[in-house]
Amino acid sequence: EIVMTQSPATLSVSPGERATLSCRASQSVSSNLAWYQQKPGQAPRLVIYGASTRATGIPARFSGSGSGTEFALTISSLQSDDFAVYYCQQYDNRPPVTFGQGTRLEIK
Amino acid sequence: QVQLVESGGGVVQAGRSLRLSCAASGFTFSRHGMHWVRQAPGKGLEWVAVIGDDGSVDVYADSVKGRFTVSRDNSQNTLYLEMNRLRTDDTAVYFCAREHSLDNWFFDWWGQGTLVTVSS
Repeated sequence: EIVMTQSPATLSVSPGERATLSCRASQSVSSNLAWYQQKPGQAPRLVIYGASTRATGIPARFSGSGSGTEFALTISSLQSDDFAVYYCQQYDNRPPVTFGQGTRLEIK
Repeated sequence: QVQLVESGGGVVQAGRSLRLSCAASGFTFSRHGMHWVRQAPGKGLEWVAVIGDDGSVDVYADSVKGRFTVSRDNSQNTLYLEMNRLRTDDTAVYFCAREHSLDNWFFDWWGQGTLVTVSS
């Protein structure tokens, strides 16, 4: 089973600034990496797949990068709606697909 | 508009059974693999099970293998999760999720979730 490790656990950033969230896989997952956004009491929402492809309806300020074992999600200019928990997920080696433990992006 | 609506959650004693449903609409249900993902209170996401588009293949996480069964009725656009021999660590919100495309096990639509609480 591939272990996904996200860092940091909590990231405090001011609105309008850039945020970079990291995700590391315990072995290569190629580009088979997705990112989800989850707000309290809501279902996760797909943000990025294929490591760098924005999902439908996701604003251009979200970008994904990386391949192999190291990945990043960058939000270029944080809006109030972006503060949430973000999870990465590998779907290269399955079953099972595995998720990171999440990064909480909070307002500074 | 794609919609996934789960139902069937509730409070159940350990060792008992529960059946969850997920009603799908707004897309061709029979063309997508469907998954269950759960989230324990205050915790992260854990993949539970998948069923292929025609129902011929089902795969489970080790934590539920032999206790849970996923099924689907393509004529009714409904996904199911039969949960037997429930344990307290099965307590979670259970989400159904649509597989983005054939054999790509990431999820582009999710239901709102249904809470299962297993009491001792």
